Amino acid sequence: NAGVTQTPKFQVLKTGQSMTLQCAQDMNHEYMSWYRQDPGMGLRLIHYSVGAGITDQGEVPNGYNVSRSTTEDFPLRLLSAAPSQTSVYFCASTASLNTGELFFGEGSRLTVL
Amino acid sequence: AQSVTQPDIHITVSEGASLELRCNYSYGATPYLFWYVQSPGQGLQLLLKYFSGDTLVQGIKGFEAEFKRSQSSFNLRKPSVHWSDAAEYFCAVALTGGGNKLTFGTGTQLKVEL
Repeated sequence: NAGVTQTPKFQVLKTGQSMTLQCAQDMNHEYMSWYRQDPGMGLRLIHYSVGAGITDQGEVPNGYNVSRSTTEDFPLRLLSAAPSQTSVYFCASTASLNTGELFFGEGSRLTVL
Repeated sequence: AQSVTQPDIHITVSEGASLELRCNYSYGATPYLFWYVQSPGQGLQLLLKYFSGDTLVQGIKGFEAEFKRSQSSFNLRKPSVHWSDAAEYFCAVALTGGGNKLTFGTGTQLKVEL
C-alpha cells in the first residue's frame, strides 16, 4: 500500500537549474497539493489541484509550475532554481474536501547552491 | 486571512507526565481544525480533527483536543506521554470545503525525557 510517493528524496541543484519533483498517489484521490516546509515557518501551500486538468495557486506559488494530466500524478517544476527554494517539499492528497485528512508523502529535501 | 499560532516552539516533558500543546487561530468563522504529527524524516500524519459538534475530540495514539470558541483555541492534550511521542506537532486550519488547502502553524517540537 504505497499511498503518496515522492521522488527524489534528496536533490542538490545549482542556481538557475531546473528540475521536477515527482508525486504519485495510488488512492484515486481527486485532490492533491504541494507544500514547502521551512524551519520556523511550518508548511506553506505552493499549488493545489482539484482534479485532472485543474490546478490553482496557493500561498507561495512564485517560481513553481504544476500540471495534472492524470489523477495519479502531480509533478512540481522548478523553472530556474534559487537559493530561497532550498526547502523540504511535501506532496499530499485527499479524497474529500470535507474530511480534512491529508495523506502526505515522505518529503523531498532540495538544496539550491 | 486566516492564521494559526503555536506559541511554544519547544516543549520538554518527562515520560509519564501530562502534555498540553497550545494552538490559537484567527478567522472570522469557525474553520476546520486539525492536529498533525511529524516524526523525524517523515511526512505528516493526522492525529485528530474538529469540524463541528462535540468540542472535545479524540484522536489516535491517546491524544485529544478541545475546541474553545471563546478563546479561538484548539489545544492538544495527552494524559501520559510516552517516549515515542517525541516529534513535531502542527496545528492547522481550513475553510469549510477547503480540506486540501490547510494553513499550518509553525509547529511545536516535543522532547520526552526518560
